[in-house]
Amino acid sequence: RKEVEQDPGPFNVPEGATVAFNCTYSNSASQSFFWYRQDCRKEPKLLMSVYSSGNEDGRFTAQLNRASQYISLLIRDSKLSDSATYLCVVNTDGRYSGAGSYQLTFGKGTKLSVIP
Amino acid sequence: DAMVIQNPRYQVTQFGKPVTLSCSQTLNHNVMYWYQQKSSQAPKLLFHYYDKDFNNEADTPDNFQSRRPNTSFCFLDIRSPGLGDAAMYLCATSRAYAGAYEQYFGPGTRLTVT
Repeated sequence: RKEVEQDPGPFNVPEGATVAFNCTYSNSASQSFFWYRQDCRKEPKLLMSVYSSGNEDGRFTAQLNRASQYISLLIRDSKLSDSATYLCVVNTDGRYSGAGSYQLTFGKGTKLSVIP
Repeated sequence: DAMVIQNPRYQVTQFGKPVTLSCSQTLNHNVMYWYQQKSSQAPKLLFHYYDKDFNNEADTPDNFQSRRPNTSFCFLDIRSPGLGDAAMYLCATSRAYAGAYEQYFGPGTRLTVT
């Protein structure tokens, strides 16, 4: 099982639509979760951290389900500028992998295209 | 603004000709990472420095080396680039305490091998 799995997409949605991305992770001991955004040929940029209680930042809502090891990102009222690849990111756990807990594992990303 | 800077942004090298990529940061983060990213793939961690301590990933080829002369700078050396090493190389930094694991990336260096 891959450490972080995402639907690669692409998701093609019209402007104004609501779109949801899902992600599963394999390490039950992971404690930190993030969504990053990556534009074509650019670096990943932190979009938002994901907290246990769920959190919202404007049109973006992130949810975490620890029992199912599942993370989601909801984008409401999609804009053309939201077109990008969205990476699900989870911290490692040194107890199992030997890697420091501060290290992150990246999913391959889900590509979103918002269409006029 | 505090940031992560990478130079050059684009690098073309010949097959087998050594190349060095550089990264600097003004965030004063204690951890610096080098990732390799190819098209439609996740960033792949090559190695990282936790303060002065070098940590290599098990599957990173010996062809890739790194140096961190001080807190602010980190270099990636590719001793004999092959065609398969063409990729985007990303430098990232982070603090290493719980609650602050998020990483901040530089703009990347796109390496072409001819």
